[in-house]
Amino acid sequence: GAVVSQHPSWVICKSGTSVKIECRSLDFQATTMFWYRQFPKQSLMLMATSNEGSKATYEQGVEKDKFLINHASLTLSTLTVTSAHPEDSSFYICSARVLGLAGTGVETQYFGPGTRLLVL
Amino acid sequence: GQNIDQPTEMTATEGAIVQINCTYQTSGFNGLFWYQQHAGEAPTFLSYNVLDGLEEKGRFSSFLSRSKGYSYLLLKELQMKDSASYLCAAMDSNYQLIWGAGTKLIIKP
Repeated sequence: GAVVSQHPSWVICKSGTSVKIECRSLDFQATTMFWYRQFPKQSLMLMATSNEGSKATYEQGVEKDKFLINHASLTLSTLTVTSAHPEDSSFYICSARVLGLAGTGVETQYFGPGTRLLVL
Repeated sequence: GQNIDQPTEMTATEGAIVQINCTYQTSGFNGLFWYQQHAGEAPTFLSYNVLDGLEEKGRFSSFLSRSKGYSYLLLKELQMKDSASYLCAAMDSNYQLIWGAGTKLIIKP
C-alpha cells in the first residue's frame, strides 16, 4: 500500500513559537494532500486541502495565516503552525489522495502517522 | 447538509461478532469507507464499498445499501487487538471524505 510519513511525531514547544510539520509520500506522487486535526475523543476535522503548485483550500473557520500550508513538490506538503498557543495543542494528521486502490480505480486517502503537538 | 451517524461506543466479547452501523447523507456519493484508528495513532484503511452488497475481507466485512444511505462493518472472531475506534466516511460528489465521529469498540475478555 501507499506509505505516507510525517515528521516530527512529537513536538513540545513554548507559546508563541512556530512549528513546521512535514508530510511526505514515500513511494508515490501525491498531487493532493489533506491536513486534519483531531482533539481527544473527537473525530477528524479537515483543516485544508493542499494541492501541489497552488494555494491550499482552507475549511471554514481555519485561519490561513495561522496554519500555513506549502505543497512545493509532488511528495512533500508542510504545515506550519505560526505563533502556536496552548489551544493549538492537538493531533495533526496528513493524508494523501491515492487513485487506483488495489487496481479498482477507487480514490481513497492514506494517512501519515500523525504529529502530536503540545504547546506550553 | 452532509452528515454521518454512527454509535459513539460499543462493547463486545473476545471471540464474538459485532456489527457497527453507519448512516450517511451526502451531496452526491462516490463510495463508503471504513477506517480503523487505534488510540494515539492515525487511521488505517479497512474497506471500501460503492455498490450495494457485502464485501468480505478476512474477519472483516462491510455492507452497503445506497438506497437506504446505510452501511455496516462486521467484525468476526473478535480479538483484543480489535479494540479501536472505527471511522465511517462517505465520499461526496467532489471526492471529499465526510467523516463520522467514530465508534469506539471495547473488547472484553
